[in-house]
Amino acid sequence: EAAVTQSPRNKVAVTGGKVTLSCNQTNNHNNMYWYRQDTGHGLRLIHYSYGAGSTEKGDIPDGYKASRPSQENFSLILELATPSQTSVYFCASGDWGGDSDYTFGSGTRLLVI
Amino acid sequence: GDSVTQKQGQVTLSEDDFLFINCTYSTTTYPTLFWYVQYPGQGPQLLLKVTTANNKGISRGFEATYDKGTTSFHLQKASVQESDSAVYFCALVDRAGGADRLTFGKGTQLIIQP
Repeated sequence: EAAVTQSPRNKVAVTGGKVTLSCNQTNNHNNMYWYRQDTGHGLRLIHYSYGAGSTEKGDIPDGYKASRPSQENFSLILELATPSQTSVYFCASGDWGGDSDYTFGSGTRLLVI
Repeated sequence: GDSVTQKQGQVTLSEDDFLFINCTYSTTTYPTLFWYVQYPGQGPQLLLKVTTANNKGISRGFEATYDKGTTSFHLQKASVQESDSAVYFCALVDRAGGADRLTFGKGTQLIIQP
């Protein structure tokens, strides 16, 4: 079954440390996305990609980098984590048109202390 | 840029009540529109999708109509059940500049009282 898998599910990081969140999809979708979800803000787009080697800035890219080394994998990188980046992060994949859906992973809960 | 507005942060109903969740959008093109549902501890799941080719989406008793004139995409259900308690997100995807940008509203928490 096609899916979006995120790892880790939970992460505790120290302020100033580097954090990498990983996402793998078996949907063969071109587009992948990273969102963060916070109470009162809904889902906010951080970075997205339309294929291997591409990354695009979303609405709140500051403090985050993204990497798309292959069709299947899309990582979100926090080079210098801060407590304000404590949140739940969701990865999604999807394609335009036809019967394609935009499918989400189960999320990564990140706590920066 | 694109935007999606859900003004209702929370809706509280009783079982068998009629549900209406408001969603409006702003974009320069004719996007594909979605409603997603999120249960506690899970990622959002697609509830229904509407493209410019079909104006209405129906799924699991929920329906939404794509109104290009008023740029609205309200979600309705005739009779809600306790199991419908969840967060509902309106979203759009717009093909601008070659990349498909998926934008969400802030979500509406639906609470169904037994």
